Amino acid sequence: DAGVIQSPRHEVTEMGQEVTLRCKPISGHNSLFWYRQTMMRGLELLIYFNNNVPIDDSGMPEDRFSAKMPNASFSTLKIQPSEPRDSAVYFCASSLWGTAHGYTFGSGTRLTVV
Amino acid sequence: DAKTTQPPSMDCAEGRAANLPCNHSTISGNEYVYWYRQIHSQGPQYIIHGLKNNETNEMASLIITEDRKSSTLILPHATLRDTAVYYCKASPRETSGSRLTFGEGTQLTVNP
Repeated sequence: DAGVIQSPRHEVTEMGQEVTLRCKPISGHNSLFWYRQTMMRGLELLIYFNNNVPIDDSGMPEDRFSAKMPNASFSTLKIQPSEPRDSAVYFCASSLWGTAHGYTFGSGTRLTVV
Repeated sequence: DAKTTQPPSMDCAEGRAANLPCNHSTISGNEYVYWYRQIHSQGPQYIIHGLKNNETNEMASLIITEDRKSSTLILPHATLRDTAVYYCKASPRETSGSRLTFGEGTQLTVNP
C-alpha cells in the first residue's frame, strides 16, 4: 500500500491566489481528515469526512477554506483567496471508522503564501 | 480527552531500549492510550495503542499501569531513525470523531 498520498509536496503562491491541495486516502479507509500544523498552533483538525460526507468542519478557519470529497479515493482542500497567515504544513490522514486503530498520515503539503 | 504529561526531552544510546513515560491520571474508562511520533518534516506516524493490557507490535511495546494512570512506550533497540517527537494521547476510540490534538510530546534523541 502506498499510504496516504498528498500533492503537491510544496506550494509557493502569492497572496490572493487560489490554492488546491489534494489527498488520496488509503484504499478501504472510510474516514478522511485534514489537519494544519504550525509552530505557533501545533496540529489542528480542520475538517473530517466519514464515507465521503463532511462530519465536522468546525475547525475550518473561515469561509476562504473549503474541502470536498467527491469519492472514496480523493479529497481536496481549497483556499481562496490565500493569505500569508495560511502558510503552514497541511496534512491529510485516513482511518477505518469503527476501529480503535490510529490514523495514517500523508507526508503533508508545505504551503507558503507570500 | 484526558490531559497527558510527558517529559520534554530524552536521550538514548543507539541499540539500547528507549522508555518514554506518559502520565494520564485523569483517564476515563473508555479512553485508549495512543502513541504517535513525528519525525522532522514528516507527517505524524501512529505507533501503538492500548486500553488496559500491555501491547506489542513490530514498532514498540506499550506498558499500561494497572490503575491506567500512566504508561510507558518502549522502543526495544533504538536506532538513529527513531529520533523524533513522541506524543502520548488518551482519548476514546480514534474514529469516534474526537479531535486529534497533540500536546508538547517528548523529543527523543538517539545518539550514536
